[in-house]
Amino acid sequence: DGGITQSPKYLFRKEGQNVTLSCEQNLNHDAMYWYRQDPGQGLRLIYYSQIVNDFQKGDIAEGYSVSREKKESFPLTVTSAQKNPTAFYLCASSRLARGEGETQYFGPGTRLLVL
Amino acid sequence: KQEVTQIPAALSVPEGENLVLNCSFTDSAIYNLQWFRQDPGKGLTSLLLIQSSQREQTSGRLNASLDKSSGRSTLYIAASQPGDSATYLCAVKGTYKYIFGTGTRLKVLA
Repeated sequence: DGGITQSPKYLFRKEGQNVTLSCEQNLNHDAMYWYRQDPGQGLRLIYYSQIVNDFQKGDIAEGYSVSREKKESFPLTVTSAQKNPTAFYLCASSRLARGEGETQYFGPGTRLLVL
Repeated sequence: KQEVTQIPAALSVPEGENLVLNCSFTDSAIYNLQWFRQDPGKGLTSLLLIQSSQREQTSGRLNASLDKSSGRSTLYIAASQPGDSATYLCAVKGTYKYIFGTGTRLKVLA
């Protein structure tokens, strides 16, 4: 059964703590994306990766970091520098980053809350 | 800078009505436009993708149109059902990135 998995479903962060959100896909997609969704707002792009060992900043990358060591995995770390991390985080993938015919597929999301 | 707007922000209709959701974008240089559905607390599900060279796409009771020159897309839902209640988001694709609208929250009343 192909798809994208995200874990955990809920994550609690203490002040000053770094936390890592997991995203795994078995769709054999080259491109992966991380988005942040706040209530009443659309999705905003944090980072994206077109291929293994390469990633680019999106529109709101400050306070976040990523790695892409394997094709199927694209973890997101929310660092202590991110002062307002409470949000719903969504991971997505597509077969290629370029091109007009590429559908984005989304994971179920991780809700991050600050204690 | 590309901006995507969806109107209305919320919509409530009785079951069985045909309805139209609107999406507008400021830069016509797009690769494609995609419509998604999002249920509360869940990820996004792709409904329809329209490539920049296409004018419309259909899937079941859903029909999406694209007019690049005017920067507009519409999602038509025929014979709405309570199960259609969700937030609908449109997104336009540039070279590498998607820009999302804020969505239309739809409630279909039984």
